[in-house]
Amino acid sequence: ETGVTQTPRHLVMGMTNKKSLKCEQHLGHNAMYWYKQSAKKPLELMFVYNFKEQTENNSVPSRFSPECPNSSHLFLHLHTLQPEDSALYLCASSQEPRTEFGYEQYFGPGTRLTVT
Amino acid sequence: SQKIEQNSEALNIQEGKTATLTCNYTNYSPAYLQWYRQDPGRGPVFLLLIRENEKEKRKERLKVTFDTTLKQSLFHITASQPADSATYLCALNQAGTALIFGKGTTLSVSS
Repeated sequence: ETGVTQTPRHLVMGMTNKKSLKCEQHLGHNAMYWYKQSAKKPLELMFVYNFKEQTENNSVPSRFSPECPNSSHLFLHLHTLQPEDSALYLCASSQEPRTEFGYEQYFGPGTRLTVT
Repeated sequence: SQKIEQNSEALNIQEGKTATLTCNYTNYSPAYLQWYRQDPGRGPVFLLLIRENEKEKRKERLKVTFDTTLKQSLFHITASQPADSATYLCALNQAGTALIFGKGTTLSVSS
């Protein structure tokens, strides 16, 4: 596989469920990101990881819990979600997280999450 | 507060014409600006980056301009084709912080 992959592509979960989203990048990048994309809203950055260390958490509710075991894999653990959390969750990677260098981000296809 | 605006949610043009999309920003001093393309149900794909000291950048049928005085970038697709139909996102950086994305403009090219 090449690029950035995400599983599952679609997920329906109840408000009391626990589930995890998985992201894997095959590009040798050092930085990985989680974004939330809701209808009619811009991409919202949730978390940034650099060499497995979390460098940014954009005031994300604790019901979203990221995990980065190595620089190629990123997880987003979900529990006790709300219906307003339904969205497209996108994973991305880039060579470096420091944006002043201008490295582009490579996105996965996303996981379409529906919370019922 | 910092703000990015893309001129319209939707833009409809005829095949063969030039599409022009606008990205305006306020309260930023970005070092560069990036443009991405997003197809339905897919993640964004990087197209072009233009730095603050560059006025214009080209790639095949794509052209991007960056006017730091007007705080505006224009994204042009010449000789547009139905396959160019997609949502186009602009993104800015602030030094050391993450990219900030606009809401996007959905372009529809009719044959």
